[in-house]
Amino acid sequence: GESVGLHLPTLSVQEGDNSIINCAYSNSASDYFIWYKQESGKGPQFIIDIRSNMDKRQGQRVTVLLNKTVKHLSLQIAATQPGDSAVYFCAETNFGNEKLTFGTGTRLTIIP
Amino acid sequence: SAVISQKPSRDICQRGTSLTIQCQVDSQVTMMFWYRQQPGQSLTLIATANQGSEATYESGFVIDKFPISRPNLTFSTLTVSNMSPEDSSIYLCSVAATMSNEQFFGPGTRLTVL
Repeated sequence: GESVGLHLPTLSVQEGDNSIINCAYSNSASDYFIWYKQESGKGPQFIIDIRSNMDKRQGQRVTVLLNKTVKHLSLQIAATQPGDSAVYFCAETNFGNEKLTFGTGTRLTIIP
Repeated sequence: SAVISQKPSRDICQRGTSLTIQCQVDSQVTMMFWYRQQPGQSLTLIATANQGSEATYESGFVIDKFPISRPNLTFSTLTVSNMSPEDSSIYLCSVAATMSNEQFFGPGTRLTVL
């Protein structure tokens, strides 16, 4: 079946720097994408989402970029903090369909 | 948002036994989902559980191995039957928000099968 994948399994960033986590998806029919953050021992937590009619969406310290031409999704975290250390997953679906397909995940470590 | 709790939070079980995991939500929801997260890996959807109907299983998952109950709009159980070490995973339930596409996840149940 089609899958969602990530370019980098691990990423270390100095505290205060910006981080970028990438995701490649292969299902061109997907029109809704979500980033989740999973801290150790916890379930995934919703960070930000984007629909396919947009190419950029901003939240608090986070920005999601969507490039439909190359089927690429990225999560930018500005001014990283120790609390940002976690595994980040992208997920894809069709808006209105609650079934999510998750990517493989990237472990982000913030270096103090 | 929805607050989700799971019981047990973790367990160590013997091969061949079964474990039932409970998922409780603090509000009524139509759809609940069960995921498996194998060590160091991503989440894979096991099944979708709607109240009052049979659960819908994803490819590779069968009812005999993962029976699911959904007796009301705030509760569901997942049973991992006749366990083997390959069933060692984190099992998570999630619910879909009623007014958006956002999904909320429980804390997970960490299962180790010896």
